[in-house]
Amino acid sequence: KNQVEQSPQSLIILEGKNCTLQCNYTVSPFSNLRWYKQDTGRGPVSLTIMTFSENTKSNGRYTATLDADTKQSSLHITASQLSDSASYICVVSFTGRRALTFGSGTRLQVQP
Amino acid sequence: NAGVMQNPRHLVRRRGQEARLRCSPMKGHSHVYWYRQLPEEGLKFMVYLQKENIIDESGMPKERFSAEFPKEGPSILRIQQVVRGDSAAYFCASSHGRQGGKETQYFGPGTRLLVL
Repeated sequence: KNQVEQSPQSLIILEGKNCTLQCNYTVSPFSNLRWYKQDTGRGPVSLTIMTFSENTKSNGRYTATLDADTKQSSLHITASQLSDSASYICVVSFTGRRALTFGSGTRLQVQP
Repeated sequence: NAGVMQNPRHLVRRRGQEARLRCSPMKGHSHVYWYRQLPEEGLKFMVYLQKENIIDESGMPKERFSAEFPKEGPSILRIQQVVRGDSAAYFCASSHGRQGGKETQYFGPGTRLLVL
């Protein structure tokens, strides 16, 4: 079973609309949770990093939340743009390890 | 400041040949990570290296795969006697190593390996 589960698998929204992507993880002991954006054919780009003591972290129109008790995180995108079309990946790391554990991502498509 | 560089960007090999993938970390970064992304799957950790040392190779297949990060030059991921199942995108990431497990890993554009 994958230790990082994301939903939905894919999402289509209209330009200017908001959306929220979900992530559930079972990684333990937990160190930090990250959200990455990956454009097709490119490497992932970091959006946010949160430790277990942080509840929310923003980066422009991206806001990530974390509930370490329920092991859930969300990524909220405000006022979507066409350039937001990409895969959004939830990534978790174990305490004491630098290796990252990736979810399968949510494929977001923003349409005009 | 150039980002993480990987070459080649695309590599085609026939079964049984060797594949050699190179990664130059960002300037000032001494920690390198290799990840593999199979088609339609998420990235999977393979190996973590510092200069001249392998720190964590828990995700590396036991046979045919090896990695190095010499004192001078890029990190190399080497796959011997490639098979069709090795076809994937191989991503390298680097970090400066000063913030432990919390620091950002910066990813390169990847090398797409196709085994015929």
